[in-house]
Amino acid sequence: NAGVMQNPRHLVRRRGQEARLRCSPMKGHSHVYWYRQLPEEGLKFMVYLQKENIIDESGMPKERFSAEFPKEGPSILRIQQVVRGDSAAYFCASSPSLASGELFFGEGSRLTVL
Amino acid sequence: DQQVKQNSPSLSVQEGRISILNCDYTNSMFDYFLWYKKYPAEGPTFLISISSIKDKNEDGRFTVFLNKSAKHLSLHIVPSQPGDSAVYFCAAQSYGKLTFGQGTILTVHP
Repeated sequence: NAGVMQNPRHLVRRRGQEARLRCSPMKGHSHVYWYRQLPEEGLKFMVYLQKENIIDESGMPKERFSAEFPKEGPSILRIQQVVRGDSAAYFCASSPSLASGELFFGEGSRLTVL
Repeated sequence: DQQVKQNSPSLSVQEGRISILNCDYTNSMFDYFLWYKKYPAEGPTFLISISSIKDKNEDGRFTVFLNKSAKHLSLHIVPSQPGDSAVYFCAAQSYGKLTFGQGTILTVHP
C-alpha cells in the first residue's frame, strides 16, 4: 500500500543542466499534480495530468519546463537549462478521481542549482 | 493574485489550549476546502476537509468551520498538543486543482 513515491529526494545540478523528477502515484490513482514550493513560500500549482494527457498546465513556466504522464511508468517533470531560481522543493500529488477532494502528496524532490 | 490567504504567518499556543488557524479566499467557484499539515523536509499530510455545501466538519480534536458569505474558513485544534507544532496550509479546490495559502507556523508550547 505504497504512497506517492518521488525520486530523487535530492538533486543537485549546475546551471544549464537538465533536471528530471519522477513521481509514481498511489495505486489506483490516475490523476497527478505537480506543485513547487520556493523557500519561505507556500505550494504553487504547476500542472495537472491524467494518463497521457495534460489537463491543466496554467502554473507551468512558459519555457524550459515540461511534464508528462505516460501510459506506462511514472510522471516526469523535466526542467531544461536550470537556473538558480529553479531551486525549490517539487511535490507530486495524486488522487483517484477529479471530485475526490483530498490529494495525497509525496515527500518531495529538493532541487538545488549551483 | 492570491486567491487563498493565510494572514497569520505564525501562531503560538500553550499545550491544552485551543489553536485557531484562519484562512480567507476570493473565488466563489471553490467546491472543497482542505487543511494540510507539513513538517520540514516532508510532504503535506491531509488533515481535514469540508465541502462548500457544509459549514462545519469535525474529526477528533480537529474542527473546520466554513463561512461562505464571508469567504472564510478556520481550523480549530483542541486541546493543542506539542506534536501539533508544524506548518498548516489551507487549500481550496476547483476542478481537482488545489490552491494553497502561504501557511501558518503553529508552535504549541508544553
